[in-house]
Amino acid sequence: RKEVEQDPGPFNVPEGATVAFNCTYSNSASQSFFWYRQDCRKEPKLLMSVYSSGNEDGRFTAQLNRASQYISLLIRDSKLSDSATYLCVVYYNAGNMLTFGGGTRLMVKP
Amino acid sequence: EAQVTQNPRYLITVTGKKLTVTCSQNMNHEYMSWYRQDPGLGLRQIYYSMNVEVTDKGDVPEGYKVSRKEKRNFPLILESPSPNQTSLYFCASSLEGPMAQHFGDGTRLSIL
Repeated sequence: RKEVEQDPGPFNVPEGATVAFNCTYSNSASQSFFWYRQDCRKEPKLLMSVYSSGNEDGRFTAQLNRASQYISLLIRDSKLSDSATYLCVVYYNAGNMLTFGGGTRLMVKP
Repeated sequence: EAQVTQNPRYLITVTGKKLTVTCSQNMNHEYMSWYRQDPGLGLRQIYYSMNVEVTDKGDVPEGYKVSRKEKRNFPLILESPSPNQTSLYFCASSLEGPMAQHFGDGTRLSIL
C-alpha cells in the first residue's frame, strides 16, 4: 500500500463547477499536510497547508480528518486556469521528509 | 527574484558517463532536496540536506551522490548513469525543514 494515495483522475468538470479531491495517508503519526499544484511539465508549487481545523483560501478549502487519515481539497467555481495536477503531501517529523501522493489531474472545460 | 535554478534543463546522455546537475538557490534557505518524478510513482525524494555539510538519504538514493559545501548549492551527481535513472528531476529548497519548499524548473534526463 502506498503511503499517500490519490485518485489519479482525470476529473473533467465544466467551468463554475465545484470539485473535491480526497487523499489518504497510511502513517498515523504524520504531522503536517499540504496541497501542491503542478502544471504540465512544470514544477510543483505550494497551494496551501492543511490545518486540523480546516482552512480556506479564496475558492479553495482544505480539510483534515485524522481519525480516518485523509485530507481533502474543495475547489468552488472552477476556472479554466485551475486545470492542473494536485499533489497531496504529508510530512512525518521523525523521518524529516515529505511524502508526495501521485497526484489528481483536474481538467476544467469551457 | 527569489528562485531555485537547475542546470541543465534537458540532457540526453549515455550509460556510464558521469554527469552533474547543479542546483542553486538565492533565498538563504537551509534545507535543500532532490526529487525524481516518474509516471505513476509521483515525486520521490533522493537526498536532502538540512544545512551545509549535512546530507541524508531520501527514499531512492541508490545511484546518486550529493554534496553541500556551500549553503546556496546542492549538486546531484550520477557517477555511472543507467537507463533506469531516466526521469524528471526537481531540486527544492525551504527556509528550514522540508515544508513549504520552492521547486526549481526541473531537469529532464534521458540516459540511453
